Amino acid sequence: QSALTQPPSASGSPGQSVTISCTGTSSDVGGYNYVSWYQQHPGKAPKLMIYEVSKRPSGVPDRFSGSKSGNTASLTVSGLQAEDEADYYCISYAGNNNWVFGGGTELTVL
Amino acid sequence: QVQLQESGPGLVKPSQTLSLTCTVSGGSIRSGDYYWSWIRQPPGKGLEWIGYMYNSGTTYYNPSLKNRVTISVDTSRNQFFLKLSSVTAADTAVYYCAREAPSIVAFDIWGQGTMGTVSS
Repeated sequence: QSALTQPPSASGSPGQSVTISCTGTSSDVGGYNYVSWYQQHPGKAPKLMIYEVSKRPSGVPDRFSGSKSGNTASLTVSGLQAEDEADYYCISYAGNNNWVFGGGTELTVL
Repeated sequence: QVQLQESGPGLVKPSQTLSLTCTVSGGSIRSGDYYWSWIRQPPGKGLEWIGYMYNSGTTYYNPSLKNRVTISVDTSRNQFFLKLSSVTAADTAVYYCAREAPSIVAFDIWGQGTMGTVSS
């Protein structure tokens, strides 16, 4: 069982928006603004999509956005495209050089 | 563009030590302010942080694994290593190496992963 809870699956039609949640505790997600999100296509390396809750690395489309409320962080993908179909993972810093991970969410573009 | 590539024996017997290598290309493992990390994913399960090493050689490990884990580095070969001792079937997983950047508190570069299977 992963330390951070994500829904196992999510889906949306092209052009729609979908939000994936990531729930932790006050010791990780709620205690630090250090939640990051990763996209992983089958057989590929994970790719950083969001860091520090809501910041996007260079090259990541602005269709991807992040937010946090209390112990729950969220990733929203707007204007869904076929290439967004992938697994998404959240990671949170948990203090004292320790990290906790989510179990992953499989996003399907219908 | 820095890239990471894992390598190592795919099959290890129970009670033995799993040894993996991560080769860094496109940049020096000594340059910059980074933590060189290992992360794993058992089949059908989520990701788990194993530990990392800072450029200075200081290591930090997941408390649940720290009695069995050693991360080391060979800067002359631009490689870092994972040794996981006394393995059981529960250690069967895809093992990833990754770079953690303190400036953004995230793992910004990952390898493709290598399967480590524990079986007799």
